[in-house]
Amino acid sequence: SSELTQDPAVSVALGQTVRITCQGDSLRSYYASWYQQKPGQAPVLVIYGKNNRPSGIPDRFSGSSSGNTASLTITGAQAEDEADYYCNSRDSSGNQHAVFGGGTQLTVL
Amino acid sequence: EVQLVESGGGLVQPGGSLRLSCAASGFTFSSYWMSWVRQAPGKGLEWVANIKQDGSEKYYVDSVKGRFTISRDNAKNSLYLQMNSLRAEDTAVYYCARERFSGWLVHFFDYWGQGTLVTVSS
Repeated sequence: SSELTQDPAVSVALGQTVRITCQGDSLRSYYASWYQQKPGQAPVLVIYGKNNRPSGIPDRFSGSSSGNTASLTITGAQAEDEADYYCNSRDSSGNQHAVFGGGTQLTVL
Repeated sequence: EVQLVESGGGLVQPGGSLRLSCAASGFTFSSYWMSWVRQAPGKGLEWVANIKQDGSEKYYVDSVKGRFTISRDNAKNSLYLQMNSLRAEDTAVYYCARERFSGWLVHFFDYWGQGTLVTVSS
């Protein structure tokens, strides 16, 4: 199986840029996807593939990848972006398993 | 509009069984892989199991292998998770999610249900 590692907590000043990272061997083979989860709500997909946003996701959200690290960048963070963020990818073992990172709690100051 | 609605959660004693259901609408259910993802109270997301469009392939996280069974009924647009030999550590909100693969490199869950809570306790 694979593991994806995220920083437990990150903070950003209102209007500033923040990068949330995700590390794991599977990211050398597969793109990460990113999910936003607010308290009491289901996760919402915000980034998938190389750098794709589903309809309705603001363009301040972007994704990138290098080696075994994927990043979610929020450019001009808003108060409503305060949430938990999870990365996800396929398991690098060659099967159809999926794996999630432990999540990053984003605080907008 | 894509909708996924889970049901079947509740309180069950350790060693007991529960069957979760997920009713899908707004898309051609039989064309997509589907997954169950769970979240223990105050914890992160954990992928549990997935199933291919025609049910011919099923995969499980190691911690539930031999205890949980994922299945689907494409005629009823429904996904199921039969959970046996439940343990306290299975306590979680269980989400069903539509799973997408775009080529070999891209994988994501684009729609999620609201979740159903399973509590395993005596």
